[in-house]
Amino acid sequence: QSVLTQPPSASGTPGQRVTIYCSGSSSNIGSNSVSWYQQLPGTAPKLLIHSNTQRPSGVPDRFSGSKSGTSASLAISGLQSEDEADYHCASWDDSLNGRGVFGGGTKLTVL
Amino acid sequence: QLQLQESGPGLVKPSETLSLTCTVSGDSITGSSSFWGWIRQPPGKGLEWIGSIHYGVTTYSSPSLKSRVTISVDTSKNQFSLNLTPVTAADTAVYYCARDPTGDTRPWYFDLWGRGTLVTVSS
Repeated sequence: QSVLTQPPSASGTPGQRVTIYCSGSSSNIGSNSVSWYQQLPGTAPKLLIHSNTQRPSGVPDRFSGSKSGTSASLAISGLQSEDEADYHCASWDDSLNGRGVFGGGTKLTVL
Repeated sequence: QLQLQESGPGLVKPSETLSLTCTVSGDSITGSSSFWGWIRQPPGKGLEWIGSIHYGVTTYSSPSLKSRVTISVDTSKNQFSLNLTPVTAADTAVYYCARDPTGDTRPWYFDLWGRGTLVTVSS
């Protein structure tokens, strides 16, 4: 059972805009920033978004992040077939003397 | 270009010790304020943070694993290591090492990851 909650699956067609949500609580998302990772099949996670909205160099601007209260979201516009992957959210949690926490991951299918 | 590479046994017996090493190339492990972390992913499941270390020997780890985890740094080899003991089948996972560039929990994220190594716990 992951501390952050994500839907197990999402889907969209090429060119569409898709949003993946991540729900937490006051001890994690509510008081700390969120990061997002893309994990292509059989590969290591790759940082997509950090500090709620910041894209590392090289990440297309089709990917955007936002946060409101105890929830965060990752939006992918102009969906492409190569975006088919697992997406994970993460945040710091201030409970239990502090710990890093992840969501269970959302598998995005491009139809 | 900075790269991280995990190494260690792919099979560990129950009740024994899982030992992994992460070799950092392309930069010095002591050259910045970065922390260096371990994250694992059981087959078909999500990611779980294990713990992180700074070369100055500051470490912090997941409360659920803390009693079984030791993370250390070997600056002479530009490596950091994970020991987890005793292990059970529930510790079977792909283990990743990664860099936390901020060395802070606000914000907290990993910008560079190793390719990961599968460790199976079985007799």
